[in-house]
Amino acid sequence: GDSVTQMEGPVTLSEEAFLTINCTYTATGYPSLFWYVQYPGEGLQLLLKATKADDKGSNKGFEATYRKETTSFHLEKGSVQVSDSAVYFCALTDSNYQLIWGAGTKLIIKP
Amino acid sequence: KAGVTQTPRYLIKTRGQQVTLSCSPISGHRSVSWYQQTPGQGLQFLFEYFSETQRNKGNFPGRFSGRQFSNSRSEMNVSTLELGDSALYLCASSLGGEKAAEAFFGQGTRLTVV
Repeated sequence: GDSVTQMEGPVTLSEEAFLTINCTYTATGYPSLFWYVQYPGEGLQLLLKATKADDKGSNKGFEATYRKETTSFHLEKGSVQVSDSAVYFCALTDSNYQLIWGAGTKLIIKP
Repeated sequence: KAGVTQTPRYLIKTRGQQVTLSCSPISGHRSVSWYQQTPGQGLQFLFEYFSETQRNKGNFPGRFSGRQFSNSRSEMNVSTLELGDSALYLCASSLGGEKAAEAFFGQGTRLTVV
């Protein structure tokens, strides 16, 4: 079945560092891809999405490009802030539009 | 516009008891999904309701059940609680269909079973 694999955390970076969180997927068909973020004590929020190959989703300085050839959707940000500390989830939609989730990657940004 | 509201925020129950959690979706959203989140298992899908009908169900025992009312509010029930049911239960609402994945989540109900 469809699945999503994320890099294990926690990922610890200093403020203003460059961030990459890897996400790869296995799917039949052409899923849409998503990044959600969960700040401490809160539910998940949609961060960005991409619906077809080569699409780039972006929001709040974060970007991810839908790479069909490598089945990847890596999350990047050029300069992270302490406020970016959170858990990041990569997900895809299956043929029933159901979300299939990665395990989540905890990001810790130190001042 | 009000977000997704889950009540209660925290709950402590004893093994063997049952519990009911509530979720009020965003106005206009007809799809409500429930998830269990634990440190060991991550985010696991429980079920989805759309217009009072259960459309999808995850791989959970029959002790976990849910329902949706005509105003789209949803409840989930867990009977005969076990220690392993301790988790954060998240509710998400969406327009459904192709927009199902653009979900809005509540803050969750933290259930502790002792």
